[in-house]
Amino acid sequence: EAAVTQSPRNKVAVTGGKVTLSCNQTNNHNNMYWYRQDTGHGLRLIHYSYGAGSTEKGDIPDGYKASRPSQENFSLILELATPSQTSVYFCASGDSGGERLFFGHGTKLSVL
Amino acid sequence: GQQVQQSPASLVLQEGENAELQCNFSTSLNSMQWFYQRPGGSLVSLFYNPSGTKHSGRLTSTTVIKERRSSLHISSSQTTDSGTYLCALERTNTGKLTFGDGTVLTVKP
Repeated sequence: EAAVTQSPRNKVAVTGGKVTLSCNQTNNHNNMYWYRQDTGHGLRLIHYSYGAGSTEKGDIPDGYKASRPSQENFSLILELATPSQTSVYFCASGDSGGERLFFGHGTKLSVL
Repeated sequence: GQQVQQSPASLVLQEGENAELQCNFSTSLNSMQWFYQRPGGSLVSLFYNPSGTKHSGRLTSTTVIKERRSSLHISSSQTTDSGTYLCALERTNTGKLTFGDGTVLTVKP
C-alpha cells in the first residue's frame, strides 16, 4: 500500500502569516494533489502536479501556491493566511490518470 | 449547479440492515471512485469503477454512465461501517477528482 505522509497534523496560524504544509509519498507516484475539505462537504482540488518541477492550478487555487521539488515531495504554501483558509487539507498521490488515489491523514489548519 | 450530488445526506441503520447510497453526476466522466472516510478523517479508496458492477466483500458498486449515476450497496451492515462515504468523479484521464458532499452513515448495534 502506498504511503502518503502529511506534516504537520495540526497547525494554528495567525492571519497574515506564512504557512507551509508538507506531503511525502514513498510509492514513486507521478501525480500528487492537494485538496481541502470543509465541514459537511466533500473535497475540493487546490493544486496538483504531474511530476517533479510541475504544478498546475486546480479548482480553487486562489490564495495558495504549490511546490514539487522532487518526485516524493509536494508542498502547499499559504503566503498570507486568512481565516477563510481554516480547513482540513488532504494530500493524495496516484500513479497516472484513471487510477485510484492514496490519501494522507490530513492536516487540520486553523487561522486565527 | 453541483456536478456531483450524493443522497441521502445521512442514513441511520440497525446492524444487519442493508444500505444503498446514490451518486448522480451532471457531466461526462472518465471514471467514478468511492471512498470511505473514517471518523478520524483519513480516506480509504473502496472502488475505482468507470462502468458496470464491482464487488468487494459486503460492498457492491454499480456505475451506469448513460444514466449518469453510480451506487454503493452495503449488505448486512456492521457498526464498523459507520463513517462518511464519498463518491468522486474523474472528468478526464488526469486523476483530478470532483467530490460529492458525502453520505454520513451511522450503524447502531
